[in-house]
Amino acid sequence: AQKVTQAQTEISVVEKEDVTLDCVYETRDTTYYLFWYKQPPSGELVFLIRRNSFDEQNEISGRYSWNFQKSTSSFNFTITASQVVDSAVYFCALSDGGANNLFFGTGTRLTVIP
Amino acid sequence: NAGVTQTPKFQVLKTGQSMTLQCAQDMNHNSMYWYRQDPGMGLRLIYYSASEGTTDKGEVPNGYNVSRLNKREFSLRLESAAPSQTSVYFCASSEQTASSGANVLTFGAGSRLTVL
Repeated sequence: AQKVTQAQTEISVVEKEDVTLDCVYETRDTTYYLFWYKQPPSGELVFLIRRNSFDEQNEISGRYSWNFQKSTSSFNFTITASQVVDSAVYFCALSDGGANNLFFGTGTRLTVIP
Repeated sequence: NAGVTQTPKFQVLKTGQSMTLQCAQDMNHNSMYWYRQDPGMGLRLIYYSASEGTTDKGEVPNGYNVSRLNKREFSLRLESAAPSQTSVYFCASSEQTASSGANVLTFGAGSRLTVL
């Protein structure tokens, strides 16, 4: 069965601090996809990144970076030099190779204090 | 660039009442989805439609029905609302077929439903 665990329910940081959001997943499939979505206070979910299970390269996009480690079944998300606009709920999600579903974690609420 | 549009944004129902949540996408996407978001539980799939004319149950389909009216529209109906259906509902769509497992979903803004 697929499962995504985001153990950090809420995190608060002061602006310009770095912060890492943890994501641990479980799946029996060898082919799967991992995602991060952002839900700002306005409520809509915004896609941030997709990773497939065969690509363990870390990715950096501006202040955002993602660390995918199959050995620990983790797909962690780091925001460097956080800004107030980063305040949101962040969801990690898993989709296995043939499923018509996206299994979401319970989300981490990030608050960046000015 | 409307993307995925859901109506209504807010609704209050009494137990036993029925209602339909409407969803439309203008991106010519094949697949559409309905999720519900509850505190501490993330998002859970209610129903999805891999393509026009097909619908399938997701993780939590009980108490709901759906209709894929055409490629653009996918509605969610509560026939007899219950307090347990108080939630925020999200419609989403994706370009790829639902069998690929690599879908990037585009979400609507959500519909907050309260059942008294």
